[in-house]
Amino acid sequence: DQQVKQNSPSLSVQEGRISILNCDYTNSMFDYFLWYKKYPAEGPTFLISISSIKDKNEDGRFTVFLNKSAKHLSLHIVPSQPGDSAVYFCAASEWYGGATNKLIFGTGTLLAVQP
Amino acid sequence: NAGVTQTPKFQVLKTGQSMTLQCAQDMNHEYMSWYRQDPGMGLRLIHYSVGAGITDQGEVPNGYNVSRSTTEDFPLRLLSAAPSQTSVYFCASSRSGAPNPANYGYTFGSGTRLTVV
Repeated sequence: DQQVKQNSPSLSVQEGRISILNCDYTNSMFDYFLWYKKYPAEGPTFLISISSIKDKNEDGRFTVFLNKSAKHLSLHIVPSQPGDSAVYFCAASEWYGGATNKLIFGTGTLLAVQP
Repeated sequence: NAGVTQTPKFQVLKTGQSMTLQCAQDMNHEYMSWYRQDPGMGLRLIHYSVGAGITDQGEVPNGYNVSRSTTEDFPLRLLSAAPSQTSVYFCASSRSGAPNPANYGYTFGSGTRLTVV
């Protein structure tokens, strides 16, 4: 049972435009959400996160929005750059009061930014 | 450079062979984990550890063993390799504890590409 879902395997946008990557989850106990970026032949790198007590977190060109009632989060990249072309993974965590940092990942979305 | 080091980067095994994927981190992170990445499946958690001497199963633990004798090392063992274990394996580490999203920024290794024939 996939607890974290990314229903779009790929996305193509023009340079300078907005990229919107979506993620849905089923476990209402998740309380932290993160986005990771992965280039070919490299490990994923942490991009941005959001706590369940917030509905928005911004870091430069990257903004993550959380809609808890819909169990949906999205990553906005504005403006998109060719160097943003990568696979983006959504991940979620349930806080066990320090017992674990276990992250559950989605299947990933391949973003291609066209020059 | 500080970070997570995985060895080997590539490996080909015959069905039934055993091997150990090595993972070491020098950031004094308490939490370490192993993931496998397969097409269309994303990253799936195999095993994880919240500290030396403590390990637990993730989503897909069958066919894999782990141990955590030191904070730095978290090896993944395949006792009898099967073609279904052909995958890219990633080790990751992070600090644990405080509910600060920044602490959830896992550091990943560069991966081990394993092929079982």
